[in-house]
Amino acid sequence: EPEVTQTPSHQVTQMGQEVILRCVPISNHLYFYWYRQILGQKVEFLVSFYNNEISEKSEIFDDQFSVERPDGSNFTLKIRSTKLEDSAMYFCASSAGGGSSYNEQFFGPGTRLTVL
Amino acid sequence: DQQVKQNSPSLSVQEGRISILNCDYTNSMFDYFLWYKKYPAEGPTFLISISSIKDKNEDGRFTVFLNKSAKHLSLHIVPSQPGDSAVYFCAASLFNTGNQFYFGTGTSLTVIP
Repeated sequence: EPEVTQTPSHQVTQMGQEVILRCVPISNHLYFYWYRQILGQKVEFLVSFYNNEISEKSEIFDDQFSVERPDGSNFTLKIRSTKLEDSAMYFCASSAGGGSSYNEQFFGPGTRLTVL
Repeated sequence: DQQVKQNSPSLSVQEGRISILNCDYTNSMFDYFLWYKKYPAEGPTFLISISSIKDKNEDGRFTVFLNKSAKHLSLHIVPSQPGDSAVYFCAASLFNTGNQFYFGTGTSLTVIP
């Protein structure tokens, strides 16, 4: 069964450093998402991406964040200058459709980011 | 912004009995609701969904009920099995901006053998 994969599973970084979280969505999916879950809190939407551009983003997704689909398979989340409060599980998701149709999102296993 | 709420952080149920997980929402514009199950060290896994034009959707042991007037949905699992032990998240989305899911905080279900 196709699945969303994410690397690395755990990333430790120093405050102020840049990190890139990688995701390989399900191959025939067109919509891609990043969510995060701070320990003990709810899963929060960060950004959605379609047709090589951001289609929706939350207030969490400020200028330190960026997303990219550098090739036909990868979808990345870059955090330019990490802060302590960026420590969280980051989930990538993909869906076959979005917007005008109901489509469940398939989630990857997550990357645990620890900022020291 | 707590648009989707799950007020019970945990629930314990005996194997074979019914598990009922509850979710409330505040935005009356939500028109699509989903339940996800999450095991430790894994991402959320889609379980079942319901659109706002329905009040019930059933899939095997899982049934989701939607009460739009009360802005409430629930997930029933019957009979509960030990493998159902996980964290359950409800999520909601808007048809016109269907990309973003709004998640609740989750309910940790423990099914006791």
